[in-house]
Amino acid sequence: EVQLVESGGGLVQPGGSLRLSCAASGFSFSTYWMSWVRQAPGKGLEWVANIKQDGSEKYYVDSVKGRFTVSRDNAKNSLYLQMGSLRAEDTAVYYCARIYNFWSGYYRDYWGQGTLVTVSS
Amino acid sequence: DIQMTQSPSSVSASVGDRVTITCRASQGISSWLAWYQQKPGKAPKLLIYAASSLQSGVPSRFSGSGSGTDFTLTISSLQPEDSATYYCQRGNAFPPGLTFGGGTKVEIK
Repeated sequence: EVQLVESGGGLVQPGGSLRLSCAASGFSFSTYWMSWVRQAPGKGLEWVANIKQDGSEKYYVDSVKGRFTVSRDNAKNSLYLQMGSLRAEDTAVYYCARIYNFWSGYYRDYWGQGTLVTVSS
Repeated sequence: DIQMTQSPSSVSASVGDRVTITCRASQGISSWLAWYQQKPGKAPKLLIYAASSLQSGVPSRFSGSGSGTDFTLTISSLQPEDSATYYCQRGNAFPPGLTFGGGTKVEIK
């Protein structure tokens, strides 16, 4: 059974840092693109970052470029999101998701339960 | 970036009704489109990928169609458990991001 379990969320002051983790199991982690997606309270879904299987390609939404870093450790079946210079508008539930490739299309087929990040003084 | 626009933003329908949600891409994306269902407090769930392929375990009352810039998600006979917010997501690789539409909230009358 595919499982994705996020951790590391919490309350942080503006300008602070936080590292999210996502533990993957039940599939061959190293063979999938992975993704972070967030959802601010009462708002829609926003992709945050995508990372290739070997970590050689990383992509970010413009609003987090230069502040967030996505990484992975295939030996530990883990995905990470290092968040810095946090702002109130980064407050959201952060989900990790597996990206499934089907005929050149990319879709997020499994999701974790999410971890809440609250940026407030 | 390619923008994804959903309509309507909300819909209220009765059990047994046929419900259709649309998603429009600002540029052609072939059939690279997915639909997700999200219930309050839960993670999104993949319903449809490649515009019309039903994800394993998803009831057959859900169907997707379209290509290019215009896509639809149809619930053929609305059930109480279908009350949720539905999101489309483009699946073409570049420009990278796999962005979402703004969502459509489906409520039961």
